[in-house]
Amino acid sequence: SAVISQKPSRDICQRGTSLTIQCQVDSQVTMMFWYRQQPGQSLTLIATANQGSEATYESGFVIDKFPISRPNLTFSTLTVSNMSPEDSSIYLCSVAGTVYGYTFGSGTRLTVV
Amino acid sequence: DQQVKQNSPSLSVQEGRISILNCDYTNSMFDYFLWYKKYPAEGPTFLISISSIKDKNEDGRFTVFLNKSAKHLSLHIVPSQPGDSAVYFCAASAPQAGTALIFGKGTTLSVSS
Repeated sequence: SAVISQKPSRDICQRGTSLTIQCQVDSQVTMMFWYRQQPGQSLTLIATANQGSEATYESGFVIDKFPISRPNLTFSTLTVSNMSPEDSSIYLCSVAGTVYGYTFGSGTRLTVV
Repeated sequence: DQQVKQNSPSLSVQEGRISILNCDYTNSMFDYFLWYKKYPAEGPTFLISISSIKDKNEDGRFTVFLNKSAKHLSLHIVPSQPGDSAVYFCAASAPQAGTALIFGKGTTLSVSS
């Protein structure tokens, strides 16, 4: 299965600022997924990122707040813009696997103060 | 509307006994189900999966049962070990290629020695 390197692993940010999270995959993948896990909640899909096209956002998530880049088949970034304390969550990237299921990055624990 | 539900937020089991984690889903289009385990400060790791054409899949100490008529699946861990203590997420996907996973809220399993 693919191996994903995600960074930063954690950050504490001031409200009103932005944070960019990076995910590097050790193999080429067509689709990458970005999830958010708020405290005590399930993993919620933010968007699906295809290389060479605009990301597809789920209901409740917009590009201005969570811009995504997918410059090639092994890399993607998610930016959390104009942060507020409500954005404090764990953010995870994921790629679809084959036999061994979807693979996740180690997550970015974001705290907005 | 939650499509994947894990109604028990926590479960405590003694070492050596069986752990049974339950999951219900509402979308009859789901055709693939997965269980993930998550330790603090780590991303979810794939545990076991089952296709909708099966009703049981076994891998070592882990067995997943699927009851399509009841839209219910369960994960059995036997014998349970203290290292199994983690959050367990049930996830499902629909048949369209590249579809992201839909997750339940997770069940925290604590195995005491």
